[in-house]
Amino acid sequence: GQNIDQPTEMTATEGAIVQINCTYQTSGFNGLFWYQQHAGEAPTFLSYNVLDGLEEKGRFSSFLSRSKGYSYLLLKELQMKDSASYLCAVLDSNYQLIWGAGTKLIIKP
Amino acid sequence: IAGITQAPTSQILAAGRRMTLRCTQDMRHNAMYWYRQDLGLGLRLIHYSNTAGTTGKGEVPDGYSVSRANTDDFPLTLASAVPSQTSVYFCASSMEGGMKSEQFFGPGTRLTVL
Repeated sequence: GQNIDQPTEMTATEGAIVQINCTYQTSGFNGLFWYQQHAGEAPTFLSYNVLDGLEEKGRFSSFLSRSKGYSYLLLKELQMKDSASYLCAVLDSNYQLIWGAGTKLIIKP
Repeated sequence: IAGITQAPTSQILAAGRRMTLRCTQDMRHNAMYWYRQDLGLGLRLIHYSNTAGTTGKGEVPDGYSVSRANTDDFPLTLASAVPSQTSVYFCASSMEGGMKSEQFFGPGTRLTVL
């Protein structure tokens, strides 16, 4: 079966760096998305990786290793507003988007 | 309208009743999607439409139907609601179909079926 694994919850300190991991087992691979979802709100797009390596976008970076079925989202200089759930989603060979359950990130002062 | 809107924001519904959740986008996106989000689970695709006039079934289509008469609107209908359909429903759209591009989500409809 197809599976996306993310930690359920993580805690970090304001100003610090946090890495949220995502591992996947899917039938083929056509890209990996990260979305941010604040409590009670809609998901919003953060990043898309289809090739191996690191994509940097401001304080957020996303890394992909296709051979390892692994991605991470790196958040630097954490702010209180970064408290949210982070959703990993993989596009499989049939162009079906498989979603992880999300990682709830709690930022403490 | 800015982006994608959904109505109603929330609804409490008696089991067995028919209900239509509305979704409208003004971005001229080709593709639209309906998801449900339940605690502890990832988003699950109910139905999708890659272009006006076409629809397809997602992962959990049973008990739901959709139509795509034009580019902007993509209503989701529950013919006879059951308690297991209690969930938060998100409509989304993307420029191209096949889920290959960034999706823009509406604010969601919180549905409770009693």
